[in-house]
Amino acid sequence: DAKTTQPNSMESNEEEPVHLPCNHSTISGTDYIHWYRQLPSQGPEYVIHGLTSNVNNRMASLAIAEDRKSSTLILHRATLRDAAVYYCILRALNRDDKIIFGKGTRLHILP
Amino acid sequence: KAGVTQTPRYLIKTRGQQVTLSCSPISGHRSVSWYQQTPGQGLQFLFEYFSETQRNKGNFPGRFSGRQFSNSRSEMNVSTLELGDSALYLCASSLAGLAVRTDTQYFGPGTRLTVL
Repeated sequence: DAKTTQPNSMESNEEEPVHLPCNHSTISGTDYIHWYRQLPSQGPEYVIHGLTSNVNNRMASLAIAEDRKSSTLILHRATLRDAAVYYCILRALNRDDKIIFGKGTRLHILP
Repeated sequence: KAGVTQTPRYLIKTRGQQVTLSCSPISGHRSVSWYQQTPGQGLQFLFEYFSETQRNKGNFPGRFSGRQFSNSRSEMNVSTLELGDSALYLCASSLAGLAVRTDTQYFGPGTRLTVL
């Protein structure tokens, strides 16, 4: 299964941009990159996904490297509510249609 | 539109007992997936049901089973509970299911199971 690598934790100041990195060096050409986040005491929630081009939505931006071996989730202006565990996931085209969650990055927001 | 609901939210059982957890998906969603979350192993995929059929299964023993009803509601059953089954059990619903790589999973709040 294609795997992702993320830092265990990161800190950022409130109202500043946050860049959350994810390495996926074994990604295949048909794998989609998804990001989910899990706020304290809640189930995960979808953030964004992309294939090759950078993507923007109301929550965040996803910047995908040209070789697709890494990507960065960008929160443009972090708030305390953005403190969560962020998961970078590859959705692969294979026989085993599962989502494999890694350990994710725990993001701390400092007021 | 109502989100994914799970009942009960909290459950305490003893070793050897069995437990049934329930998940009601978002209206119109035909796929329900189940996950186990523990501090040590993180989020692990259990199985997915789509239109009452199990599509995929993770690496869990046969004590973990599930089913889906015609209204897409799903139940998960764990028999002969062990201490290690203590976890947060999450379900997620989606329109097209895990086979579609762009499909979005919508998670419920989870059921916290404690096995004593």
